[in-house]
Amino acid sequence: AQTVTQSQPEMSVQEAETVTLSCTYDTSESDYYLFWYKQPPSRQMILVIRQEAYKQQNATENRFSVNFQKAAKSFSLKISDSQLGDAAMYFCAYRSLFMNRDDKIIFGKGTRLHILP
Amino acid sequence: NAGVTQTPKFQVLKTGQSMTLQCAQDMNHNSMYWYRQDPGMGLRLIYYSASEGTTDKGEVPNGYNVSRLNKREFSLRLESAAPSQTSVYFCASSEVQNTEAFFGQGTRLTVV
Repeated sequence: AQTVTQSQPEMSVQEAETVTLSCTYDTSESDYYLFWYKQPPSRQMILVIRQEAYKQQNATENRFSVNFQKAAKSFSLKISDSQLGDAAMYFCAYRSLFMNRDDKIIFGKGTRLHILP
Repeated sequence: NAGVTQTPKFQVLKTGQSMTLQCAQDMNHNSMYWYRQDPGMGLRLIYYSASEGTTDKGEVPNGYNVSRLNKREFSLRLESAAPSQTSVYFCASSEVQNTEAFFGQGTRLTVV
């Protein structure tokens, strides 16, 4: 069974600085998707970025980028130029690529990010 | 552009009462999910449905039942609520080719 581990329950970063959130996962599959979701106090789940495992190039979305290390099963999220609006809970998630009945999306326990003004 | 709609948004139950959480999506997605979110535990999968007519257990299915009524709707039922089921419940849907899951606004359930 696949598992997702986020080892940092909470982190803090100064506004305008860069912060990296860690995520590791365990799977026996070779093809899959990885995601980072943001959950602000409103409770809404917002997709931040996604990565296809078969793509070697790291995904980037504006100030958000990932460091995907497939062999190490590591998928960290880097937030550059941190803004107050980035304060939220961040979840790492895993999804199998294959279209079959076992279509689960597995989440980590989350990292709460605080932005210090 | 509704997306995923959950009802109700808040609910208080007494121990032993039953209730059904409703979820509907208008994106024609095949896959639907129910998660619960508890402090320090992240999102844990309760049940999921990869297509109309199929349902499967996730990580924490005990005390819950689900129905995939049609392609749009996926309900979660608590037959006899317990305080341990106090949580925030999220419904989500996804199309396999589209990969990401879209979430409802969540239901905050308190069992007293």
